[in-house]
Amino acid sequence: DVKVTQSSRYLVKRTGEKVFLECVQDMDHENMFWYRQDPGLGLRLIYFSYDVKMKEKGDIPEGYSVSREKKERFSLILESASTNQTSMYLCASLQRSGANVLTFGAGSRLTVL
Amino acid sequence: GESVGLHLPTLSVQEGDNSIINCAYSNSASDYFIWYKQESGKGPQFIIDIRSNMDKRQGQRVTVLLNKTVKHLSLQIAATQPGDSAVYFCAESGGNDYKLSFGAGTTVTVRA
Repeated sequence: DVKVTQSSRYLVKRTGEKVFLECVQDMDHENMFWYRQDPGLGLRLIYFSYDVKMKEKGDIPEGYSVSREKKERFSLILESASTNQTSMYLCASLQRSGANVLTFGAGSRLTVL
Repeated sequence: GESVGLHLPTLSVQEGDNSIINCAYSNSASDYFIWYKQESGKGPQFIIDIRSNMDKRQGQRVTVLLNKTVKHLSLQIAATQPGDSAVYFCAESGGNDYKLSFGAGTTVTVRA
């Protein structure tokens, strides 16, 4: 069974802290994505990566950065967490060929105090 | 970016009835549409997709209808079951862009 694993399900951080959200996929997919999910707003794309060391900004990249050093791992970084970054973060991966069916992880719920 | 929206944020359905979840999109260039289901505590899971060269596609107990004239997408669930209680998202992409734009989601609650 294919999997996208987000290592942290729940995190509580303080304003100004640096936060790392890790995502690993075992499907050898080229494309990986980070979304945030907020009530009434659906899923909004933060960053995505179409290959190792490659990244592109999504719709709401401000306050975030990403790292893709290995094909299977895509990390989301909050350099200095703020309260408005309290949210559910969803990682997904996609095989380059075929339909645009994203496989999602279970999510990481981040609370910034 | 282009917007993808769902008509209603919540839907309450009697067990055994059919459910219809609606979605409107604004990007005329969209040519791929997909529905996801998100159960509590889980990430979204693929339900069904459809390309713009089709009007209808059926899966197991689900049907997606696409009306390109009015830019409307719907998901029909037959004989709704308690396990269908979840948040449903529509999403779209256009051309060679494999990035999906998601709607806000509809929360479906199934009444026993």
